[in-house]
Amino acid sequence: GAVVSQHPSRVICKSGTSVKIECRSLDFQATTMFWYRQFPKQSLMLMATSNEGSKATYEQGVEKDKFLINHASLTLSTLTVTSAHPEDSSFYICSARSWGGGNEQFFGPGTRLTVL
Amino acid sequence: AQKITQTQPGMFVQEKEAVTLDCTYDTSDPSYGLFWYKQPSSGEMIFLIYQGSYDQQNATEGRYSLNFQKARKSANLVISASQLGDSAMYFCAMREGNNAGNMLTFGGGTRLMVKP
Repeated sequence: GAVVSQHPSRVICKSGTSVKIECRSLDFQATTMFWYRQFPKQSLMLMATSNEGSKATYEQGVEKDKFLINHASLTLSTLTVTSAHPEDSSFYICSARSWGGGNEQFFGPGTRLTVL
Repeated sequence: AQKITQTQPGMFVQEKEAVTLDCTYDTSDPSYGLFWYKQPSSGEMIFLIYQGSYDQQNATEGRYSLNFQKARKSANLVISASQLGDSAMYFCAMREGNNAGNMLTFGGGTRLMVKP
């Protein structure tokens, strides 16, 4: 099946710094990618929908100035957590659906962010 | 109202036995898709099975089958012949509409533990 990669898989940063997470579709083009956040023992919550070449659509309650999303190409979307705080510590997962493909949505392996 | 409801936070099953994980959904869109994902402790989301709202037959994928009862709005996952490696979190998800850009909404998840 199609492959989605995320980098880094784990990151630890100091409070106040910014962290960039990359999501790549390795063998297909994805005009739309999704960013989810998952707190421990909870479900995935959609943060934003990333559209290639246009602004991301953020879910209610998600600060667009804090979670910057850039979908610069058909295979890459980035999520930047700006001025990270300990409460931003979470598991961030991206997903993508192959354009013109089937129904499956492919998930990246996730990035575990810890803010000290 | 919750769009996807998984009422079993945790389930035990004896190895080699079958287990049913419950999922009910709520939508007014006649076109939708239902997904089941497995999330082991590593965090990756593994696609298991998909059922479209217009599919006449219940989906099956190896040991996984989906008991789709449209009138009841339920999409239970049946795992036959449970294996120790099946121990994980299982998430039911729904996509409303059939646009490739439509997001997935996840249920709260069920933790399955397979006993040897």
